[in-house]
Amino acid sequence: DTEVTQTPKHLVMGMTNKKSLKCEQHMGHRAMYWYKQKAKKPPELMFVYSYEKLSINESVPSRFSPECPNSSLLNLHLHALQPEDSALYLCASSLQGVNYEQYFGPGTRLTVT
Amino acid sequence: GENVEQHPSTLSVQEGDSAVIKCTYSDSASNYFPWYKQELGKGPQLIIDIRSNVGEKKDQRIAVTLNKTAKHFSLHITETQPEDSAVYFCAATFGDSSYKLIFGSGTRLLVRP
Repeated sequence: DTEVTQTPKHLVMGMTNKKSLKCEQHMGHRAMYWYKQKAKKPPELMFVYSYEKLSINESVPSRFSPECPNSSLLNLHLHALQPEDSALYLCASSLQGVNYEQYFGPGTRLTVT
Repeated sequence: GENVEQHPSTLSVQEGDSAVIKCTYSDSASNYFPWYKQELGKGPQLIIDIRSNVGEKKDQRIAVTLNKTAKHFSLHITETQPEDSAVYFCAATFGDSSYKLIFGSGTRLLVRP
């Protein structure tokens, strides 16, 4: 089983709202990732958690706040977003580092109005 | 700097023909090279990968070749089928980080029936 699940599938939020994206995997992977993907572009790395600790933050604005409550779950808390933050947000996981196969979830399509 | 170039950006082939997508990378320390297929409305799906100690890897109709000296790698799809139509991304690990993948810009493959 190489499944990464993400909820919700779609999210529309206003610029003053607070919302959260959720990601879950049960493959025993210890590295989890958040990516942002704009239309017709490749995924761009946002955050990496390794063994439930934040390992990489690619200079992401503070209106995006990641959280890793346990080894199977990854959240992305959203607050005061801008319309340009509208994108597909992808979660991924790998056994350990990225030299291991990295599996992506289906993504959350976010629209900021 | 971190960079993966991918060509062509679009590729149209007749069903049954072969398709080749090429990527070059800039970081000589890169040692893991996955390929992803992304269908409309879905997350990227890992289809094949290769590590730096191997020159070629094959899985049924899909093969990947790696030339470390020239810093380029290629995806070969034989006997293409309409369901192969998708966007394909190459990627490479970056530098000392074993957690960061740099993606190419993507190739939109259309297989005409």
